[in-house]
Amino acid sequence: GQQVMQIPQYQHVQEGEDFTTYCNSSTTLSNIQWYKQRPGGHPVFLIQLVKSGEVKKQKRLTFQFGEAKKNSSLHITATQTTDVGTYFCATPRAYKYIFGTGTRLKVLA
Amino acid sequence: DAGVTQSPTHLIKTRGQQVTLRCSPKSGHDTVSWYQQALGQGPQFIFQYYEEEERQRGNFPDRFSGHQFPNYSSELNVNALLLGDSALYLCASSLAGPLSSNQPQHFGDGTRLSIL
Repeated sequence: GQQVMQIPQYQHVQEGEDFTTYCNSSTTLSNIQWYKQRPGGHPVFLIQLVKSGEVKKQKRLTFQFGEAKKNSSLHITATQTTDVGTYFCATPRAYKYIFGTGTRLKVLA
Repeated sequence: DAGVTQSPTHLIKTRGQQVTLRCSPKSGHDTVSWYQQALGQGPQFIFQYYEEEERQRGNFPDRFSGHQFPNYSSELNVNALLLGDSALYLCASSLAGPLSSNQPQHFGDGTRLSIL
């Protein structure tokens, strides 16, 4: 079945450094959603990308959808301790949502 | 505006028992999806309910069943519990729409189920 892989699995950064997580699929995706889950919390929707090559920004967060719609990335500029958590990409297959394996971000103050 | 609420927050059961988890969707939402999240893993789709019917199912055995009520709230039932069923069970609600415009999902805080 369709799988969505994320790399890296873990990332430790110093506060102020940048961070990027990548989401890859072997099949073309209709759209991609990104979620953030704080430790002990639940996934919170961040953004949805639909168009090939689409780029969206939310303050320090930049989201990109690949031209072939098989990959996506989330880049955080100048990380802060509030960015700690696990970032998941998710994609729909009919009414089923497939979540990526997640990237756990730790920010060292 | 109430978000997604789930109950109970924690539950401890023993192997072979049965459990029922409950979810009330965000106000205005009519679609409920259930997920199982094992420690350190991403959420795994169990099934989705819309108009009181199971609309799609993930790779989970028939021990996992559900129900949606006319007020859009939902229950997840798991029979013959196994040790491997220990996980965080998340409910997510969304607005139904055309398949091409998949809606963002709003998650509840989850029910942490431990099987002894």
